[in-house]
Amino acid sequence: DAGVIQSPRHEVTEMGQEVTLRCKPISGHNSLFWYRQTMMRGLELLIYFNNNVPIDDSGMPEDRFSAKMPNASFSTLKIQPSEPRDSAVYFCATSPGQGPWVNTGELFFGEGSRLTVL
Amino acid sequence: QKEVEQDPGPLSVPEGAIVSLNCTYSNSAFQYFMWYRQYSRKGPELLMYTYSSGNKEDGRFTAQVDKSSKYISLFIRDSQPSDSATYLCAMKSSASKIIFGSGTRLSIRP
Repeated sequence: DAGVIQSPRHEVTEMGQEVTLRCKPISGHNSLFWYRQTMMRGLELLIYFNNNVPIDDSGMPEDRFSAKMPNASFSTLKIQPSEPRDSAVYFCATSPGQGPWVNTGELFFGEGSRLTVL
Repeated sequence: QKEVEQDPGPLSVPEGAIVSLNCTYSNSAFQYFMWYRQYSRKGPELLMYTYSSGNKEDGRFTAQVDKSSKYISLFIRDSQPSDSATYLCAMKSSASKIIFGSGTRLSIRP
């Protein structure tokens, strides 16, 4: 198994531009998480999907952020318009959880998308 | 007060030393306790996993959970330069999101 695949690995963009980050989960994992990591705030959960349905989006910073999971094989995190304070590493993680939050905490992370907004 | 507190370090020790990494927490409902290791420019990977209290050993690594004190530890014996990474503790209750510590940056000097 190739693991969780994220793209792009690096993105440099200018303030105001739209950014789309992509994630391909591990086959069979029905829980998908988007995290943001910064030095100041550590790992923050942005949104959690279970069986392609958003369960908890309370961590999404504001309306500029949106996430979709149209099928079990693909998810996107979009920022529009982007701002310099969005600069961070964004991780997608998946888990073979049995239901909303009913998992043991064993997450499988992708290698992350490093976003720089100038 | 954060739900999970972890000293960010950095912690620098000589090769072969025993390393002790710790986290404290405030939520007594936490039952699942994890340690993730994150190498530079990589995603975190699960290193150790413990359910409820007690010890768990895996090679040079030992995880300890003391629920009465709300304190978890990770010990690394015979530390190697390849152990240099950031170590994040994480925990959750049976039906809640995972809460991560801020991570401790560890450096093993050859």
